[in-house]
Amino acid sequence: GDSVTQMEGPVTLSEEAFLTINCTYTATGYPSLFWYVQYPGEGLQLLLKATKADDKGSNKGFEATYRKETTSFHLEKGSVQVSDSAVYFCALSLAGYSTLTFGKGTMLLVSP
Amino acid sequence: DADVTQTPRNRITKTGKRIMLECSQTKGHDRMYWYRQDPGLGLRLIYYSFDVKDINKGEISDGYSVSRQAQAKFSLSLESAIPNQTALYFCATSDFGGGNEQFFGPGTRLTVL
Repeated sequence: GDSVTQMEGPVTLSEEAFLTINCTYTATGYPSLFWYVQYPGEGLQLLLKATKADDKGSNKGFEATYRKETTSFHLEKGSVQVSDSAVYFCALSLAGYSTLTFGKGTMLLVSP
Repeated sequence: DADVTQTPRNRITKTGKRIMLECSQTKGHDRMYWYRQDPGLGLRLIYYSFDVKDINKGEISDGYSVSRQAQAKFSLSLESAIPNQTALYFCATSDFGGGNEQFFGPGTRLTVL
């Protein structure tokens, strides 16, 4: 079945460090890919998405590129802030369906 | 005001009790979902509904039931709560043709003693 694998956390960084959170997927078709973020005490909110191979999603300084050849959608940010501390979820959805399959989430902790 | 609301936000109950979690949305979306979140397991889909007359089981529907009372309301029931249903529960909505983006409520933290 379809699945998403993320690197385990927590990822602990100092402010202004470079961030990478790895995400790979397995899917029978051509999925759309998403990154959601969950700030403490809140629900999930969409951070960025990409709907086809080689697309790059970006938002709030975060970026991820849909790599079909490596079935990956790694999340990156050049300079993290304390306010980026949250749990990040990678997810996929197959064309024609609107259910999402989530990874297990990666907690990011950024210290001043 | 929040577009997706959940009540209650926190609930403590005892084993064997019936409990209902409610979700309301003002986004006008047709599609609604219930997930549970457990540490280290991510989000798992319990039930989903693509319109008022459509109900579908998700990955982990055993022990749960749902009711879609209106386009804007989707309730999750635990008929006889057990401790391993202790979790954080999220409702979400999406729009047909909206690129599969889902909008989440703030969550309900349920503890079953």
